[in-house]
Amino acid sequence: KNEVEQSPQNLTAQEGEFITINCSYSVGISALHWLQQHPGGGIVSLFMLSSGKKKHGRLIATINIQEKHSSLHITASHPRDSAVYICAVATLIQGAQKLVFGQGTRLTINP
Amino acid sequence: DSGVTQTPKHLITATGQRVTLRCSPRSGDLSVYWYQQSLDQGLQFLIQYYNGEERAKGNILERFSAQQFPDLHSELNLSSLELGDSALYFCASSVVPGEGFSYNEQFFGPGTRLTVL
Repeated sequence: KNEVEQSPQNLTAQEGEFITINCSYSVGISALHWLQQHPGGGIVSLFMLSSGKKKHGRLIATINIQEKHSSLHITASHPRDSAVYICAVATLIQGAQKLVFGQGTRLTINP
Repeated sequence: DSGVTQTPKHLITATGQRVTLRCSPRSGDLSVYWYQQSLDQGLQFLIQYYNGEERAKGNILERFSAQQFPDLHSELNLSSLELGDSALYFCASSVVPGEGFSYNEQFFGPGTRLTVL
């Protein structure tokens, strides 16, 4: 079992729909990243959070440390939101902070 | 734009060859991280440097090596290349590495796409 599990693996929705992507992890973490990767390949950090909730525009990220679970929500989704969304947790391994990544969720928003 | 730069953007080479990927961290960042993203393995941590010294190792093959220079740029050297080394290689940087349970945010470069034929 992977230390970081994302669901769903693929998600297709219509423009305007509310989107939720989930991330569950099994290790103790210092922080959690939500990353966005467009077809060109570059990775953009959307959020880094260690507790509670953060909002940026139409994107909202929440984390529940006790339940070891985070969600990324997109409100009023748009075709330009189509990308792969990756959850990454920062965890202490052999004395150093390392990022462990989920497999990603491929989101397609149709007009 | 994260401020992290990587060159080249694309690299096509043959099996058995050696290549060097270059990364310049954000201004002021002392720590550099290398990651590999392959189709079947997803993103994996390879190696981390802090102020010129190796800090942590991940799933890095013995055929791969890296270093961080006094001007803080880093190079990842891949030798005896195999078809399976084809992947996106990302560099990230942070101000300093996290200490203990403290994590400092990493900022990712645009990546180098390596194709081994």
